[in-house]
Amino acid sequence: GQQVMQIPQYQHVQEGEDFTTYCNSSTTLSNIQWYKQRPGGHPVFLIQLVKSGEVKKQKRLTFQFGEAKKNSSLHITATQTTDVGTYFCAADGGGNKLVFGAGTILRVKS
Amino acid sequence: NAGVTQTPKFRVLKTGQSMTLLCAQDMNHEYMYWYRQDPGMGLRLIHYSVGEGTTAKGEVPDGYNVSRLKKQNFLLGLESAAPSQTSVYFCASVNGQGFTYEQYFGPGTRLTVT
Repeated sequence: GQQVMQIPQYQHVQEGEDFTTYCNSSTTLSNIQWYKQRPGGHPVFLIQLVKSGEVKKQKRLTFQFGEAKKNSSLHITATQTTDVGTYFCAADGGGNKLVFGAGTILRVKS
Repeated sequence: NAGVTQTPKFRVLKTGQSMTLLCAQDMNHEYMYWYRQDPGMGLRLIHYSVGEGTTAKGEVPDGYNVSRLKKQNFLLGLESAAPSQTSVYFCASVNGQGFTYEQYFGPGTRLTVT
C-alpha cells in the first residue's frame, strides 16, 4: 500500500531559526495534506496541495509539492515558540483513506 | 458546533476487559475514521466508514470492531483488551463532498491496558 516517509523525525531549533520537514513517496501522489499537532492535542489540518510544483504560503509557513508529485515540504521561516508540535504529511491512500507519515517533532528553544 | 467529540478522554483497562469508545460529530459528515497514535509511528488507520451502516478495515484492524448505526456516531470496540492496545485513539470525520478532504479530528482517548 501507499507509504510516505517523513524526515527528520525530530528537530530542535533556536527561536528565530528556520525549519523544514520533508515528505517522500516512491509513487506519484494525487495530492498531499499537512497537519499540525500541538503537544497533548489533536491533529489540525493546515493545507492540501494538488498540482505539480504547487507552492502555497500561510504567513511564515511555505508548502511545496514536487514537480513529479512524489515529494513535499513544509518550511517555517523564523520559528516561534508557538510553532512547537508535530507536523504530519498525509497522502491519499485510495478509497477515501489517508496515509500519514510518522511526523516530525519540532522543539523551539527560546 | 461541537465538531468531533470523543468519550471517554481517559481509560485504564485490565487485560481481557472490554470497552467501547464513542465518537460523535455534528457536522453531517459522511466519512468517519478511527486511528491509533503511538510514539514514532504517526497515525495508523484502524477502521473507517464511508456512510451510515458501512464499515471497512484499515491498516491495523485486528482486535477491534466498529459500528456506524447512525451517521453522526462511530463506535470502536475492544472485545478483549491487550497491553499492545495501549495507545491514544483519535476519531476523525470528513465531509466527503467538495474538493478538499480535510479531516477533522476529535480530542482523543488515552487508553492504558495493564
